[in-house]
Amino acid sequence: EAQVTQNPRYLITVTGKKLTVTCSQNMNHEYMSWYRQDPGLGLRQIYYSMNVEVTDKGDVPEGYKVSRKEKRNFPLILESPSPNQTSLYFCASSALDRGISEQYFGPGTRLTVT
Amino acid sequence: AQSVTQLGSHVSVSEGALVLLRCNYSSSVPPYLFWYVQYPNQGLQLLLKYTSAATLVKGINGFEAEFKKSETSFHLTKPSAHMSDAAEYFCAVSGGNTGFQKLVFGTGTRLLVSP
Repeated sequence: EAQVTQNPRYLITVTGKKLTVTCSQNMNHEYMSWYRQDPGLGLRQIYYSMNVEVTDKGDVPEGYKVSRKEKRNFPLILESPSPNQTSLYFCASSALDRGISEQYFGPGTRLTVT
Repeated sequence: AQSVTQLGSHVSVSEGALVLLRCNYSSSVPPYLFWYVQYPNQGLQLLLKYTSAATLVKGINGFEAEFKKSETSFHLTKPSAHMSDAAEYFCAVSGGNTGFQKLVFGTGTRLLVSP
């Protein structure tokens, strides 16, 4: 089954404690992206990757890091989480073409930083 | 820059009534437009997409949307609402200098369906 998986699904942590949210896709997609969803703001892109070792900032990259060492994985790293990073996070992937292909979303990770 | 505006953070309808969710876009180039649905505690699922072919686009679960360039709109409709349609709906745009893969989302509209 084609899917994007994220782990963990729920995470409660404290300010400053480094954490990683994993994302993996089994569709051999080149493009992967992280979004955060906040009430009244919709989804905003954090980082994206066009292929292995190619990453770039989205609209709200401050406080986040990513890496793309393998095509299937795109972890999101919070080196020093702060309460304003409490949010619902989604990973997405798609094939690289002219935007016609569908973006597949993971189930989401709900992060609470106290 | 591209943007999307969804009018109404909440829309309430009765079961069997017409569903109309509004989306207006801003883009300096011909856009690609999408509607996604998010059911509780789930990720986003593509309902339909406009990619410069037919202006009336049919999607899954009986939804459709019409691209109107003169009105810069891409409203989502369904003739008869079902209880299972209760969810949050997001309009999104891509294309132009932001690239064809990057989606710019609206703020979402929560659809409530009453019996």
